[in-house]
Amino acid sequence: QLQLQESGPGLVKPSETLSLTCTVSGGSMTSSNYHWAWIRQSPGKGLEWFGNIYHSGGAYYNPSLKSGVTMSVDTSKNQFSLKRTSVTAADTGVYYCASAFLTETGLWGFDSWGQGALVIVSS
Amino acid sequence: AIQLTQSPSSLSASVGDRVTITCRASQGIGGALAWYQQKPGKPPQLLIYDASTLENGVPSRFSGSGSGTDFTLSISGLHPEDFATYYCQQFSDYQCTFGQGTKLEIK
Repeated sequence: QLQLQESGPGLVKPSETLSLTCTVSGGSMTSSNYHWAWIRQSPGKGLEWFGNIYHSGGAYYNPSLKSGVTMSVDTSKNQFSLKRTSVTAADTGVYYCASAFLTETGLWGFDSWGQGALVIVSS
Repeated sequence: AIQLTQSPSSLSASVGDRVTITCRASQGIGGALAWYQQKPGKPPQLLIYDASTLENGVPSRFSGSGSGTDFTLSISGLHPEDFATYYCQQFSDYQCTFGQGTKLEIK
């Protein structure tokens, strides 16, 4: 089973950029069987999916959260990243990275998750 | 985007009970639905995908069913470790959404 670990600042000032990195171990990020995801959990909005990225760098995003969001991948380091610009207090939450696998029905299910990184947006 | 509505939002039950949680999609999604369990301070854990396929290592007391817009997660013979929050999730047209969660509490 893959292991994932988020890293990045736990405190970000309003209007600044949130940057998180996920390091993957126990497998290769170049596998075509997996995409790589960022998901946020906040008290007011539950679980929110930011988007998936795959090993070639292609990505698809949640239109509701797409503004100011960029995902990138560095397969040589077995890492992928999330950046979100111009954050507000509403971006406070626990950010999870996860691996997504494609099932027979076309569902991308999230089978391995990082432990989560708490990010607080506050001055 | 497709919305998922879970019911109930919370549920009280006793060890040994059978419980059922429902997830309704705002439009048909075939069988492309997953269920997760989350305990406090931990990430969600995949239980079931494709509506009824048990993830490796998940106890057989968990089962899922449904297709189209209506899905259920059932737990037969609740164990103490099953008291947690459960979420459904769908992924269609390159968009993912989660239900709002159902908190299962000990009666």
